[in-house]
Amino acid sequence: DGGITQSPKYLFRKEGQNVTLSCEQNLNHDAMYWYRQDPGQGLRLIYYSQIVNDFQKGDIAEGYSVSREKKESFPLTVTSAQKNPTAFYLCASSIDSDQPQHFGDGTRLSIL
Amino acid sequence: KQEVTQIPAALSVPEGENLVLNCSFTDSAIYNLQWFRQDPGKGLTSLLLIQSSQREQTSGRLNASLDKSSGRSTLYIAASQPGDSATYLCAVRHTGGFKTIFGAGTRLFVKA
Repeated sequence: DGGITQSPKYLFRKEGQNVTLSCEQNLNHDAMYWYRQDPGQGLRLIYYSQIVNDFQKGDIAEGYSVSREKKESFPLTVTSAQKNPTAFYLCASSIDSDQPQHFGDGTRLSIL
Repeated sequence: KQEVTQIPAALSVPEGENLVLNCSFTDSAIYNLQWFRQDPGKGLTSLLLIQSSQREQTSGRLNASLDKSSGRSTLYIAASQPGDSATYLCAVRHTGGFKTIFGAGTRLFVKA
């Protein structure tokens, strides 16, 4: 079945450590997105990519980095510069930036 | 700056009741508005998408309306069922940009 796969489902980070969250889609979508969700808040955009080899910062990009070397993959790295990384991270994709977004099942990141 | 507000934050209703969820936005220059459902620990599932030129969209027991002039959208759920229990989020795409702004959601609990 076509869809978006995020892994791992749960992730723990130690102080000073970088961690990478995986997002893979087999929907042949051009656009991909990373959001952060905190309790009681709406989703906030971290980074987005409208096409392979291109990406832009969202509202809360500080402490995060991404790459888009392949159309189907958009990994997110949470660096040690992100001082409050505990959150639920959601990846999404769409055919293009004008079409509805489809979401993965998320990765919950916690601090050890 | 676009802000999206959903009231109430939580709602509990008996099974079979018809109900309305509210979404308000501050800038009427929107491209589209989308309603999503989120189950605990899961990603978002798109329910209905209303383009700025449309007044409403329907899917099964769900009906979403859009009034740009007043900055409001409603999601009507007919004959609610326990399986409808979830968090419902609305999201607005502004005409002037690429980003989608999400509300914090309404947590719905339908009692059997």
